[in-house]
Amino acid sequence: AQSVTQLDSHVSVSEGTPVLLRCNYSSSYSPSLFWYVQHPNKGLQLLLKYTSAATLVKGINGFEAEFKKSETSFHLTKPSAHMSDAAEYFCVVSEGRTGTALIFGKGTTLSVSS
Amino acid sequence: KAGVTQTPRYLIKTRGQQVTLSCSPISGHRSVSWYQQTPGQGLQFLFEYFSETQRNKGNFPGRFSGRQFSNSRSEMNVSTLELGDSALYLCASSRGTDRVFSETQYFGPGTRLLVL
Repeated sequence: AQSVTQLDSHVSVSEGTPVLLRCNYSSSYSPSLFWYVQHPNKGLQLLLKYTSAATLVKGINGFEAEFKKSETSFHLTKPSAHMSDAAEYFCVVSEGRTGTALIFGKGTTLSVSS
Repeated sequence: KAGVTQTPRYLIKTRGQQVTLSCSPISGHRSVSWYQQTPGQGLQFLFEYFSETQRNKGNFPGRFSGRQFSNSRSEMNVSTLELGDSALYLCASSRGTDRVFSETQYFGPGTRLLVL
């Protein structure tokens, strides 16, 4: 069965410093992996997705993630944090049998201080 | 192109009542999925509809049901509400092509349900 583990429930960074949000996955199939962001009182927005093409995936707002099969990881990074990046981030794997269900991690809250 | 819309945005119900939530997908999208978000359990998949048929279902009791209409709009119903059903219910739509594993799901703003 597919699952994702977000290794940090809360990450705090200063504005202008790098961001690293860690995610490990488990999948019986060749997975599709996603990162979604949820700002307070707003819906979920797709940041980026991996679908077995390039292992380094670039997303919106300067975020990127690298798929590492040997480490079963899909960590999200950004070179320089901005105050507007403060939100909750979800690592997501597509369910294997039909692929129509998304399996969400527990989420990582990113705080950005000035 | 308009995004996914959900109505109502907020609901207050009492235990034992039933509730119906509505979701209108992005134009041209044929797949609609429903998720429940709670502080304790996080985001959990409820079910997915494609061409008016339930194609996938999560681990929720039979009190949770849904349907999809020919225009791809979907409704979710919860009968005999319990306090634990208080949650944000999110709807997502996608095109529903063969390559479902890689499809992007677009989420609506959610319906916040409070059960008293």
